[in-house]
Amino acid sequence: EVQLLESGGGLVQPGGSLRLSCTASGFAFSTYAMNWVRQAPGKGLEWVSIISGSGGTTIYADSVKGRFTISRDNSKNTLNLQMNSLRAEDTAVYYCAKDVKGGSYGYAQDYWGQGTLVTVSS
Amino acid sequence: EIVLTQSPATLSLSPGERATLSCRASQSVSGYLAWYQQKPGQAPRLLIYDASNRATGIPTRFSGSGSGTDFTLTISSLEPEDFAVYYCQQRSNWPLTFGGGTKVEIK
Repeated sequence: EVQLLESGGGLVQPGGSLRLSCTASGFAFSTYAMNWVRQAPGKGLEWVSIISGSGGTTIYADSVKGRFTISRDNSKNTLNLQMNSLRAEDTAVYYCAKDVKGGSYGYAQDYWGQGTLVTVSS
Repeated sequence: EIVLTQSPATLSLSPGERATLSCRASQSVSGYLAWYQQKPGQAPRLLIYDASNRATGIPTRFSGSGSGTDFTLTISSLEPEDFAVYYCQQRSNWPLTFGGGTKVEIK
């Protein structure tokens, strides 16, 4: 059974940093690209970033480029999102999500974690 | 970036009725469009990918169609568990983008 479990969310002041993690199980983690998608309270979905299975390719939404860094540790089946220079508008539930197909990247996402809430406020 | 516009914003229907949801792209996304269902307090669930392919375990009452800029998600006969918010997503160009969602509510 595929499982994705996020952690690391919480309350942080504007300008602060936070590191999210997602622990994966139940599939060949290194074969699949992984994504972060966020959802502000009461709002729609916003794709944030993707990393290829090898970790060699990363792509970001313009809204987080230069502030967020996605990474993965395939030996530990872990996906990370380092978030720096946080702003109030980064407040959201952050989901990690697996690409539906392996071997490349940029597909739809078939498995999602339960999400972790990040609140940026003074 | 590619903008996806979903209509209607809200669809009020009764169980057993047919639901037709629309997603229009600001430029062609070929067939690279997915549909997700989200219920309150839950993560999104992939229903359809690449316009018409049902994801694993998705009931056959869900179907997708379209190409280019115009796409449709059809639920042939609404079950009580189908009342939720539905999002479309394109993967043709970076960044991946989602539509604003259609809420299917009980009439």
